[in-house]
Amino acid sequence: DIHMIQSPSSVSASVGDKVIITCLASQRIGNYLAWYQQKPGKGPKLLIYAASSLLNGVPSRFSGGGSETAFILTISNVQPEDVATYYCQQGQNFPITFGQGTRLEI
Amino acid sequence: EVQLVESGGGLVQPGGSLRLSCAASGFMFSSYWMSWVRQAPGEGLEWVANIKQDGSEKYYADSVKGRFTFSRDNAKSLLSLQMNSLRVEDTAVYYCASLTGDAFDFWGQGTMVTVSS
Repeated sequence: DIHMIQSPSSVSASVGDKVIITCLASQRIGNYLAWYQQKPGKGPKLLIYAASSLLNGVPSRFSGGGSETAFILTISNVQPEDVATYYCQQGQNFPITFGQGTRLEI
Repeated sequence: EVQLVESGGGLVQPGGSLRLSCAASGFMFSSYWMSWVRQAPGEGLEWVANIKQDGSEKYYADSVKGRFTFSRDNAKSLLSLQMNSLRVEDTAVYYCASLTGDAFDFWGQGTMVTVSS
């Protein structure tokens, strides 16, 4: 199985800050990497697919980068509504696997 | 508007069975791979199963293989997850999701399954 390791596990930021979340894959996965946002009590929402493609309707302060084994999610100009847990997910191989999550607090 | 609505969750004893459903609307259901993903209380996300557009291919996580069966009815835009031989560790919120490429692009609100004596 491909293991996905996220860091940090939690981060505290102020409104307007830039936050960077890292996701490392245990094997090369090309750009088969997605990022999700999950707010308490809700289902996850896709933010970014193919490592760096922003889903329609997602604010442009979210961006993704990286390839193969190292990926980042950047949230520029953090807003109060960004409080959530963020997950990375690889789709290169079965089983599909997720990172353990990064909790963002404001 | 895309909608995925799960139902069928509840409390069941270890070794019991439960059947989850997911009603889809607002998109061309028959054109999409579909999936189940679960989340144990306070934990992260775990992929459970995928099914191809016509139901001809199915993939399962090792943790549920042989116990769970994923099916779909394209005429009714409906997914089903038959869960047998349930274990305490199957306790989770179960989400259905559509799959585009390698990403889950739309998710339901989830249905809670509790396995406990």
